Amino acid sequence: QVQLVQSGAEVKRPGASVRVSCKTSGYTFTDYYLHWFRQAPGQGLQCMGWMNPGIADTNYAQKFQGRITMTWDTSISTAYMELTRLRSDDTAMYYCARDRVLTGHPEFDYWGQGTLVTVSS
Amino acid sequence: DIQMTQSPSSLSASVGDRVTITCRASQTLTKYLFWYQQKPGKAPRLLICNASTLESGVPSRFSGSGFGTDFTLTISSLQPEDFGTYYCQQSHSSPYIFGQGTKLEIK
Repeated sequence: QVQLVQSGAEVKRPGASVRVSCKTSGYTFTDYYLHWFRQAPGQGLQCMGWMNPGIADTNYAQKFQGRITMTWDTSISTAYMELTRLRSDDTAMYYCARDRVLTGHPEFDYWGQGTLVTVSS
Repeated sequence: DIQMTQSPSSLSASVGDRVTITCRASQTLTKYLFWYQQKPGKAPRLLICNASTLESGVPSRFSGSGFGTDFTLTISSLQPEDFGTYYCQQSHSSPYIFGQGTKLEIK
């Protein structure tokens, strides 16, 4: 069965960087897009961008450009999202999610359990 | 970017009630509107695809309708396990924006 398992909670100082991992299983990692989202406490879901390990492509939301990098390791079917120059308003739950279609109109059928990133001095 | 507006932002209803949540887009989505349910501390769960297609395993009391800019999620007979926050999300064009959510409480 398809699973996306994310790394554990992180506490970071302002100005630091964080890397969240998303280990996938149950499907061919390179056949699907993977998207990243975040959700600040009590807030809605915000798109951060997507990656396609099969064609080595990424796309980042404008809000995060210059601070975000999505990478992957196909040998272990794992995706990574790194966010740099952290600020207190980056405190949020971060999610990875699989897009099950390749139509350009994504459908997010499987999600990671979330990784809480807390930015505090 | 396409803007998504959900209403109401919160509602309280009784078991057995018919509940309707609406979502309006700032430009046409054609059919590319999705509905998710999120429970506290959990990831979102996909309920409805392409405005009206029920996701496998989702109870038939959930339904979606609409096309273009105006969409509706309906729960025909509210059950205790339906509490949570409901989000619409557009997949017409990047960035794939979510609505601000509707928090549903059971009276």
